[in-house]
Amino acid sequence: QEQLVQSGAEVKKPGASVKVSCKASGYTFTTYYLHWVRQAPGQGLEWMGLINPSSGITRYAQRFQGRLTMTRDTSTSTVYVELTSLTSEDTAVYYCARGIVTPMGWFDPWGQGTLVTVSS
Amino acid sequence: QSVLTQPPSVSGAPGQRVTISCTGSSSNIGADYDVHWYQQLPGTAPKLLIYGNNNRPSGVPDRFSGSKSGTSASLAITGLQAEDEADYYCQSYDRSLSGSVFGGGTKLTVL
Repeated sequence: QEQLVQSGAEVKKPGASVKVSCKASGYTFTTYYLHWVRQAPGQGLEWMGLINPSSGITRYAQRFQGRLTMTRDTSTSTVYVELTSLTSEDTAVYYCARGIVTPMGWFDPWGQGTLVTVSS
Repeated sequence: QSVLTQPPSVSGAPGQRVTISCTGSSSNIGADYDVHWYQQLPGTAPKLLIYGNNNRPSGVPDRFSGSKSGTSASLAITGLQAEDEADYYCQSYDRSLSGSVFGGGTKLTVL
């Protein structure tokens, strides 16, 4: 079955960086866009950006420009998101989600989520 | 402040019908981009509920339906059940932002 499995929880200090992975299985990795969405405690969903696993081309939400990087490894069907200069406001559950064959469209399936805690 | 506007909460008794609205603008829903809906149970990842305005993925009961008109969309749930108690989010694409956008989410309480 189509599945996205993410790496485990992280605890980071302010100013540090975090890198979360998302391994895809059950479908052709390079066919569909992959998106990252985060959810702060008690808050709603926030779209962070996307990556085309075939070309590696990325597009990021404006508020993350300059400190967000998405990459992929086609040999392992894995995408990565790295966020730098962390503050307490980056404490959230980070989800990867498969999109469709264009940058628009719905997200399905979703990874299980990775909790990133930023605390001194 | 979310780009798409949803009511923070709705409620209904078992068996009743409820609707959740999602209001956008001319750069997203009004620009003819599709609206999608997700259900998020406590402590779990969101689950796709409706895609392409009014399509249900396999396994989603037909008690759930979606519609879209102008710059708004709605999710309707009929025959409310206790297991429907969850947070619901709408999502679309915004051409000004060149990215996907979500509503702020609506908490459904089954009385």
